[in-house]
Amino acid sequence: QKEVEQNSGPLSVPEGAIASLNCTYSDRGSQSFFWYRQYSGKSPELIMFIYSNGDKEDGRFTAQLNKASQYVSLLIRDSQPSDSATYLCAVNIYSQGAQKLVFGQGTRLTINP
Amino acid sequence: ETGVTQTPRHLVMGMTNKKSLKCEQHLGHNAMYWYKQSAKKPLELMFVYSLEERVENNSVPSRFSPECPNSSHLFLHLHTLQPEDSALYLCASSQEIIGVYEQYFGPGTRLTVT
Repeated sequence: QKEVEQNSGPLSVPEGAIASLNCTYSDRGSQSFFWYRQYSGKSPELIMFIYSNGDKEDGRFTAQLNKASQYVSLLIRDSQPSDSATYLCAVNIYSQGAQKLVFGQGTRLTINP
Repeated sequence: ETGVTQTPRHLVMGMTNKKSLKCEQHLGHNAMYWYKQSAKKPLELMFVYSLEERVENNSVPSRFSPECPNSSHLFLHLHTLQPEDSALYLCASSQEIIGVYEQYFGPGTRLTVT
């Protein structure tokens, strides 16, 4: 079983709509969850992190965490063409004496004007 | 700009060459990481340095050799690479505080092995 799973997409959303990105993880001990955005040819950029169950809002972005279901999601409201990118979910685990992030494969999101 | 820089940004090397990738972080962080990103694969963690000590080597072939001379600098020494090593190599840093594990990435080095 993959440690972090995401639907690879592509996910196509009309401009102005809500984009919903989902991620599941296998390690119940994980405490920290991250969403990175990666434009083509660029490096990942941290856009949200969440540590507690529930919702966390930052501008047009809302991260949702449900530790019981081992599920984390990212909602993007009022989607813009500039939101078109690959979104990477990352989960922290403790392994071999170090904290590390395990990344999902990423979901490619396209916002259609 | 995330405060993490990488040089060179692009590198083409033959299989018999030796080259080094450099990473520098200006964030005061105490942990640094090397990742490999290949097409259609998740980010693969290669090496972790915490407080300048290597704490993880994810079964990376010995043709990749990391070096961390201080908490701000990280190198990846490359020798006798294979074409399948062509990828985007990313450096990241974080501040190791309990419960805080955000990592910030540099722009990456696009490596092509011919």
